[in-house]
Amino acid sequence: GAGVSQSPSNKVTEKGKDVELRCDPISGHTALYWYRQSLGQGLEFLIYFQGNSAPDKSGLPSDRFSAERTGGSVSTLTIQRTQQEDSAVYLCASSPSGYNEQFFGPGTRLTVL
Amino acid sequence: AQSVTQLDSQVPVFEEAPVELRCNYSSSVSVYLFWYVQYPNQGLQLLLKYLSGSTLVESINGFEAEFNKSQTSFHLRKPSVHISDTAEYFCAAIGSNQGGKLIFGQGTELSVKP
Repeated sequence: GAGVSQSPSNKVTEKGKDVELRCDPISGHTALYWYRQSLGQGLEFLIYFQGNSAPDKSGLPSDRFSAERTGGSVSTLTIQRTQQEDSAVYLCASSPSGYNEQFFGPGTRLTVL
Repeated sequence: AQSVTQLDSQVPVFEEAPVELRCNYSSSVSVYLFWYVQYPNQGLQLLLKYLSGSTLVESINGFEAEFNKSQTSFHLRKPSVHISDTAEYFCAAIGSNQGGKLIFGQGTELSVKP
């Protein structure tokens, strides 16, 4: 079956612009996670969804970051007024339930000039 | 604090040699443990997992890891590596009472040389 997909695969933007990153999880997976992978910080958790609710937003770096999930499926991560330090690979993962293996998408590489 | 530690950032080995990638976790994380592999310019792929049961878990391509509760370790081993095993390997644990989010180690870059 289809795995987790993310779009775009690459995004180059100018400092101060807003960006939206999309994640399509595996069908039927109720749990969805966003992580960020950068050279200096490794792999960091950003936010977790169970269904359409986000019980854990503790990893979002600032209020410029937000995310939503609709229909228990697609999720969008939005970064407002992007900064150069936001440059990273943003990874989405889904899981059948909260305490199980997670399946990762290919990531979106964000470059902020 | 909940943490996962990979003791080696880089491990160079020759082809057909054995390898061990070390991983220790803090006692405050859950004992749901994973190894993920990331090949160059690719996403994360699950290599193997420990959720319960036998403490020795194996992957289809010859890797194995052993859950050791007393030493809070989950080291990854392979008796004979191939060039194609060159990749970055991440150890991860599910945080306790945190909805299943993964806490990752810093990663170990395995470089297999001919």
